Amino acid sequence: EAQVTQNPRYLITVTGKKLTVTCSQNMNHEYMSWYRQDPGLGLRQIYYSMNVEVTDKGDVPEGYKVSRKEKRNFPLILESPSPNQTSLYFCASSAASSNQPQHFGDGTRLSIL
Amino acid sequence: AQSVTQLGSHVSVSEGALVLLRCNYSSSVPPYLFWYVQYPNQGLQLLLKYTSAATLVKGINGFEAEFKKSETSFHLTKPSAHMSDAAEYFCAVRSYSGGYQKVTFGTGTKLQVIP
Repeated sequence: EAQVTQNPRYLITVTGKKLTVTCSQNMNHEYMSWYRQDPGLGLRQIYYSMNVEVTDKGDVPEGYKVSRKEKRNFPLILESPSPNQTSLYFCASSAASSNQPQHFGDGTRLSIL
Repeated sequence: AQSVTQLGSHVSVSEGALVLLRCNYSSSVPPYLFWYVQYPNQGLQLLLKYTSAATLVKGINGFEAEFKKSETSFHLTKPSAHMSDAAEYFCAVRSYSGGYQKVTFGTGTKLQVIP
């Protein structure tokens, strides 16, 4: 079954404690992306990757890091989380072309205390 | 640069009534446009997409959208609302320019269907 898998689904942590949210896809997609969803703001792109070792900033990259060492994986790293990063996060993947839709994971709800 | 505007954060319709969710976009290059639906506690699912092949696009669950370049719009419609259509709907634009391929979403419209 084609899917995007995120882990963990829920996480409560404290300010400053480094965390990683993993994302894996089994569709051999070149393009992968991270979004955060906040009430009234829709989804905002954090980072995206057009292929292995190629990453670019989205609209809200501050406080986040990503890496793309393998095609299937695209982890999101918060090195020093702060309360304003409390949000619902989605990973998505698609084929490389701009006319292709994205496949989304089920989301990760992060609470930073 | 690109942007998406969805007018109306909440829309209520009666069961059986017409559904109209509005989306306007701006893009410096020809855009590809998408509508996604999000049910509670789930990720986003594709409803339909515009990729320049046809201006009237049909999607799943009876939804369709018309691309109007002159109005920079891509409104989503369904002739007759069903209770199961209650969800949040997002319009998105994706374009490739200068080596970058960003995706921009609108702020979403929550659809309530009244029995």
